[in-house]
Amino acid sequence: EVQLLESGGGLVQPGGSLRLSCAASGLSFSSYAMSWVRQAPGKGLEWVSIISSGGGTTYYADSVKGRFTISRDISKNMLYLQMNSLRAEDTAVYYCARGLGSSGLFDAFDMWGQGTMVTVSS
Amino acid sequence: DIQMTQSPSTLSASVGDRVTITCRASQSIHNWLAWYQQKPGRAPKLLIYKASSLEIGVPSRFSGSGSGTEFTLTISSLQPDDFATYYCQQYNNYWTFGQGTEVEIK
Repeated sequence: EVQLLESGGGLVQPGGSLRLSCAASGLSFSSYAMSWVRQAPGKGLEWVSIISSGGGTTYYADSVKGRFTISRDISKNMLYLQMNSLRAEDTAVYYCARGLGSSGLFDAFDMWGQGTMVTVSS
Repeated sequence: DIQMTQSPSTLSASVGDRVTITCRASQSIHNWLAWYQQKPGRAPKLLIYKASSLEIGVPSRFSGSGSGTEFTLTISSLQPDDFATYYCQQYNNYWTFGQGTEVEIK
């Protein structure tokens, strides 16, 4: 079965760090760009970061630039999001999502994980 | 940054109704627009990409149109499974989502 499975969420204090993981199975992981998208409780969707299929290109939303780092391990079919200097406004469900692959790096997201909750609170 | 504005924010409709949701971009995004459906507690699901291309497995009652700055998602005959929140997303210049449109039972 083709799926994405996030893990690593939890409760962290402001200023703390957390690393999210996304395990890909049943798909050609190395062929697709991968993103992180978040959704604060009761709010809409916000794109966070993207990494190209080969890992050589990354982009970040201004709201997380300099604090978050996206990476991938193609040998393990894993996507990561290292989150440092966390703030209350980073509280959200974090989804990993696969780029459709039809329009290069800038593309829609055709596959999503179930999400992992990150709560930043003292 | 490109801003995406959806209207309406909430839509009340009945089974069988034709439903239209509008999405406007703050600048031209050509046809680099997607539509997603999200149900409570679930991940978003891609419905439409490149403004009018139907994702595999999505029922044909869903359709998308538009280009430039104005786009629409139409559900030709609303079904019970369609009550959800819908988001537009531009991917012309990074990625930005609209604020969402909740389709509720009338």
